Amino acid sequence: SYELTQPPSVSVSPGQTARITCSGDALPKKYAYWYQQKSGQAPVLVIYEDSKRPSGIPERFSGSSSGTMATLTISGAQVEDEADYYCYSTDSSGNHRGVFGGGTKLTVL
Amino acid sequence: QVQLQESGPGLVKPSETLSLTCTVSGGSISSYYWSWIRQPAGKGLEWIGRIYTSGSTNYNPSLKSRVTMSVDTSKNQFSLKLSSVTAADTAVYYCARDRTIFGNYGMDVWGQGTTVTVSS
Repeated sequence: SYELTQPPSVSVSPGQTARITCSGDALPKKYAYWYQQKSGQAPVLVIYEDSKRPSGIPERFSGSSSGTMATLTISGAQVEDEADYYCYSTDSSGNHRGVFGGGTKLTVL
Repeated sequence: QVQLQESGPGLVKPSETLSLTCTVSGGSISSYYWSWIRQPAGKGLEWIGRIYTSGSTNYNPSLKSRVTMSVDTSKNQFSLKLSSVTAADTAVYYCARDRTIFGNYGMDVWGQGTTVTVSS
């Protein structure tokens, strides 16, 4: 079955740049999406179509994708950005089956 | 704005069928895909499957044999049934509007989630 691989944790100090990666064999052909999930809350979409930001998401959130790796970048991370981040994409089966990465815990302190 | 609300029993016995409904308010259910996602306590998100308002479905291969999704456009609701449940199906279950297929906009609206425990 198709898998997306993320690092379990990333840690930065406030104001630094946080980068979270997501690797998957189908990413050259399929878009990546990123979701932020704070403790006890439902996930929130922060990046769609590899690099686009939904309305209301701060500009410090950006996304990119190259080859088999997608990256979520938080420029000038703030304490309130501490959360779990999940990448999501679909497989190349033609049925658009969805798959989430294992999630990355971002610590900002 | 569109809002989603999951509903259903919070406790299901092993080997029985889990049934959840997601009610869409503030907009029409028509012409969208709708997904179910679950998250065991302390673990990551798992995509269960999606349904279009025509009834067309895509399921996670690992759950396909036990999952049935349906949609009732007259009630602006869609539903999930998961059969033969075990303790491993204990999780928070989310519904979401899925705009990944049409327009690549992602799952942009989520319900608050509902906790389902499988226990006798």
